[in-house]
Amino acid sequence: QSVLTQPPSASGTPGQRVTISCSGSSSNIGTNTANWYQQFPGTAPKLLIYSNNQRPSGVPDRFSGSKSGTSASLAISGLQSEDGADYYCAAWDDRLNGVIFGGGTKLTVL
Amino acid sequence: EVQLLESGGGLVQPGGSLRLSCAASGFMFSSYDMTWVRQAPGKGLEWVSSISGSGGITYYVDSVKGRFTISRDNSKTTLYVQMNSLRVEDTAVYYCAKVSSSVHYGMDVWGQGTTVTVSS
Repeated sequence: QSVLTQPPSASGTPGQRVTISCSGSSSNIGTNTANWYQQFPGTAPKLLIYSNNQRPSGVPDRFSGSKSGTSASLAISGLQSEDGADYYCAAWDDRLNGVIFGGGTKLTVL
Repeated sequence: EVQLLESGGGLVQPGGSLRLSCAASGFMFSSYDMTWVRQAPGKGLEWVSSISGSGGITYYVDSVKGRFTISRDNSKTTLYVQMNSLRVEDTAVYYCAKVSSSVHYGMDVWGQGTTVTVSS
């Protein structure tokens, strides 16, 4: 069972704005920053957001992140068909002394 | 080009051992923490282990403590994980990843993964 809780699925139509939540605790997101990864089937994950709201070079500004207390969120605006993928949140956990991932959210673009 | 290339996966019986390698290129290897992350078939991502740039600090998920050993050879720019006493539940694709910053621990470069299957 993941220490970070994400909804297993999310969906939206092209052009819509979709938000994926990630609930943690004081030992992880509450103290440290949240990162988000995008993964397509059969491929390695890709860093999408780091330090709660920073985008690596090359990531479109349609993707944004935020954090409030012990929770983080990933928002995708102007949804496109190619955004259909699995999304994972992650953070360092001070109690476990390691990285924890959320269970992942499968995003379907209808 | 920044690149990570894993090798060493395969089929092993329960109780057996494997050593995975991850050859790095295109960046100052010794300056970055490195990590192993695994993904069981049809499941999500699971962090396995991390090692500091110097190799002096290591971290493990509880389920592999005492069985897996992470190490690195900075002269060869290669990351390793020695996996002993393998269990069926260790079956997964194993990815190595570069940690871009020890502040936020985001993993910005990933290998293509190597498959480990533990089965009799």
